[in-house]
Amino acid sequence: DAGVIQSPRHEVTEMGQEVTLRCKPISGHDYLFWYRQTMMRGLELLIYFNNNVPIDDSGMPEDRFSAKMPNASFSTLKIQPSEPRDSAVYFCASRYNRGLDIGETQYFGPGTRLLVL
Amino acid sequence: AQSVTQLGSHVSVSEGALVLLRCNYSSSVPPYLFWYVQYPNQGLQLLLKYTTGATLVKGINGFEAEFKKSETSFHLTKPSAHMSDAAEYFCAVSDRGLTGGGNKLTFGTGTQLKVEL
Repeated sequence: DAGVIQSPRHEVTEMGQEVTLRCKPISGHDYLFWYRQTMMRGLELLIYFNNNVPIDDSGMPEDRFSAKMPNASFSTLKIQPSEPRDSAVYFCASRYNRGLDIGETQYFGPGTRLLVL
Repeated sequence: AQSVTQLGSHVSVSEGALVLLRCNYSSSVPPYLFWYVQYPNQGLQLLLKYTTGATLVKGINGFEAEFKKSETSFHLTKPSAHMSDAAEYFCAVSDRGLTGGGNKLTFGTGTQLKVEL
């Protein structure tokens, strides 16, 4: 399996521009998670989906951030308008759900390094 | 709410020496516990996890961790460090259960491991 795929790997944009980050989860996984990693705040969960439905978006910092999952193999995280404080590494992760409470592993993508100037 | 404390943001060891990375968690009931490793410019990779059963868990690359309920700890060890172990290590916790907190990972702030000749 190719693992979780994220694009682009690096993004440099100017303040006020729209940024779209993309994620393809591992085939067959029905949970998808978006995280943000910064020096100041560490790794934070932004939002997660189950079967393409957003379940918990309490970590989304503000209305400038939005996430969608139109189908089981694709998700986007959009920032509009972007600000310099959004500069971070954004990770996507996916997980399989067998309906058992066994502590399933989340598998992470390589991340998108975003720099907003 | 769940929380994880990693003592020591930077740890330096000599090649061949014991590696000990500390993790303590806060939870009302025993959670699921994970250690992830992040190499430079890469995503997070699972090293090992504790879900149930044996409290000493063995992972990849010779790492192991022991769940100690009485100490609310899940320290990561490796008997002999190798240069290739230099990376950032994250302890994470999730609730048990198939909903809510059972689907969220809460990460510690990370420990950067340096291995010196």
